[in-house]
Amino acid sequence: ETGVTQSPTHLIKTRGQQVTLRCSSQSGHNTVSWYQQALGQGPQFIFQYYREEENGRGNFPPRFSGLQFPNYSSELNVNALELDDSALYLCASSPGTGLYNEQFFGPGTRLTVL
Amino acid sequence: AQSVTQLDSHVSVSEGTPVLLRCNYSSSYSPSLFWYVQHPNKGLQLLLKYTSAATLVKGINGFEAEFKKSETSFHLTKPSAHMSDAAEYFCVVSDLTYGQNFVFGPGTRLSVLP
Repeated sequence: ETGVTQSPTHLIKTRGQQVTLRCSSQSGHNTVSWYQQALGQGPQFIFQYYREEENGRGNFPPRFSGLQFPNYSSELNVNALELDDSALYLCASSPGTGLYNEQFFGPGTRLTVL
Repeated sequence: AQSVTQLDSHVSVSEGTPVLLRCNYSSSYSPSLFWYVQHPNKGLQLLLKYTSAATLVKGINGFEAEFKKSETSFHLTKPSAHMSDAAEYFCVVSDLTYGQNFVFGPGTRLSVLP
């Protein structure tokens, strides 16, 4: 069974650019969540997708957007990059949106904005 | 809204001595609670989860946690620390307020001294 994978591993962008991060969910999982983890902090919830629809959103501006595909893989898009967007971006998949469902995390994409 | 407090940002123990990592939460609804571990340059791994079936929860690698509703606590313990336990530990609460939104605590860094 393949776990959650993310690409790319590392990315360097300049302020004002746009970036797309990708995530493949674990087999059998229809729910994907995205988190931002700044250095030395706990992950912060960005949004969740369930069966291709947004199912909840954290306190992030609209320039953070996402997509989920029919195979349940997902993309996170960030427009107009700011220096504070530098962080580790984590994707997690789960077999549904139930209260007790564990989320399985990928290794993350390290984004640096210069 | 949910929130998580991890009372110690850093805990240092000697190998073979007990570990106690403290977590308090707040939630408007009956929550689910999780502990995740993050080793350097590795993904988040689930240690254990509370699902209302039992207040004392056993996890992997000898860790366990006790849910105390009256104290809104979910402290993580291990009887005997091992060098390989050195990592960052995150307490997580979820109550479906914003989708299956995981709210992470700020983390506790555990150091294990020889």
